[in-house]
Amino acid sequence: DGGITQSPKYLFRKEGQNVTLSCEQNLNHDAMYWYRQDPGQGLRLIYYSQIVNDFQKGDIAEGYSVSREKKESFPLTVTSAQKNPTAFYLCASSILSGNYNEQFFGPGTRLTVL
Amino acid sequence: KNQVEQSPQSLIILEGKNCTLQCNYTVSPFSNLRWYKQDTGRGPVSLTIMTFSENTKSNGRYTATLDADTKQSSLHITASQLSDSASYICVVRGVTGGGNKLTFGTGTQLKVEL
Repeated sequence: DGGITQSPKYLFRKEGQNVTLSCEQNLNHDAMYWYRQDPGQGLRLIYYSQIVNDFQKGDIAEGYSVSREKKESFPLTVTSAQKNPTAFYLCASSILSGNYNEQFFGPGTRLTVL
Repeated sequence: KNQVEQSPQSLIILEGKNCTLQCNYTVSPFSNLRWYKQDTGRGPVSLTIMTFSENTKSNGRYTATLDADTKQSSLHITASQLSDSASYICVVRGVTGGGNKLTFGTGTQLKVEL
């Protein structure tokens, strides 16, 4: 999984609760990303960050929040405003420059809302 | 709208047989195309990355081809093994002003049986 760790692997949440998913990388990558994966759909970008203390909304940011206080860490909070949070969440990181600019993915966190 | 379409949606083959997965895209302008392998419940792992000037690239028993004119790519798996059972995702990177904009296909679910 390329030096990216996500925790927990499985997470259960009651409706109305906020939960935070952890993502840490030791690849010295500047950029980090959060994706959501649902059955039958391609990965969709939630948020991304290219530098510490800065982040940008992706295609489906509503109901989510992030922070980037350290280069190595990019936690994702799923808030109660997210209407359908049950999904598989993937964190990724990459360098910023270069044509290949490959994203390396973590092992994922499966979130289930009860 | 940038799109990546993969076919077939699912495929079952016998161990030792070859197979070819298809990817058509409309992403423009185009930067590069990647194929990822994703085991169930895990994060995607890169197999190959190609720019528009590369027609073919191999990684062991995996060979990817790219026709940038027709916007098509294929992934050929030779002498399949049980461990090849996974989802194969085609991902196209477009040239954008910022960020690392990727468009993901929905994947081809491959099952290799005895």
